[in-house]
Amino acid sequence: AQSVTQLDSQVPVFEEAPVELRCNYSSSVSVYLFWYVQYPNQGLQLLLKYLSGSTLVKGINGFEAEFNKSQTSFHLRKPSVHISDTAEYFCAVNNKETSGSRLTFGEGTQLTVNP
Amino acid sequence: EAGVAQSPRYKIIEKRQSVAFWCNPISGHATLYWYQQILGQGPKLLIQFQNNGVVDDSQLPKDRFSAERLKGVDSTLKIQPAKLEDSAVYLCASSWSSGTGITDTQYFGPGTRLTVL
Repeated sequence: AQSVTQLDSQVPVFEEAPVELRCNYSSSVSVYLFWYVQYPNQGLQLLLKYLSGSTLVKGINGFEAEFNKSQTSFHLRKPSVHISDTAEYFCAVNNKETSGSRLTFGEGTQLTVNP
Repeated sequence: EAGVAQSPRYKIIEKRQSVAFWCNPISGHATLYWYQQILGQGPKLLIQFQNNGVVDDSQLPKDRFSAERLKGVDSTLKIQPAKLEDSAVYLCASSWSSGTGITDTQYFGPGTRLTVL
């Protein structure tokens, strides 16, 4: 079984400040890792994903994440946030060895960017 | 390119009533997913279709939930009878599913918000 823990349910920051949203996972096998963003009353949109290769993954809207296998983490970062980044962010994991594509999501982190 | 379409966007029913949700995936996407997102939680997969066959329905409460994907395109998710705890947003997603073993990006629709009174 696999699980995802997002360590902060809410993260308030000021505009142009850096931000890190933390994600830890547990799995007995190798995994793929994802970050999704959900704006109010909208579906989820993929920010970035780690499948293999370089552990530093760059995504849309200036976000990046680093896969750390030894710490089983996949933290999301942005060096300078904008008001428009205010949204709910979800970390998700997929088990490489299952035949399906089931994504297991964390409970989400609400990022609020204040002026 | 049109995204994943879902209807209705909102639905309010009383417990023990029935309800159905509809999803139209992105054209050409072979794989379709239904997720349940309870307030304050991440989405949970209910069922996954590959074309019109079920790949994973291990988390679908089969005593009250059912889903079908006729002709491998549109899909409907039904709840009968509804319970209070079914109040949630129901998200539909689709992906190409190239079959190479590498996970394809899932594209999500806007969801249907269900309130059971």
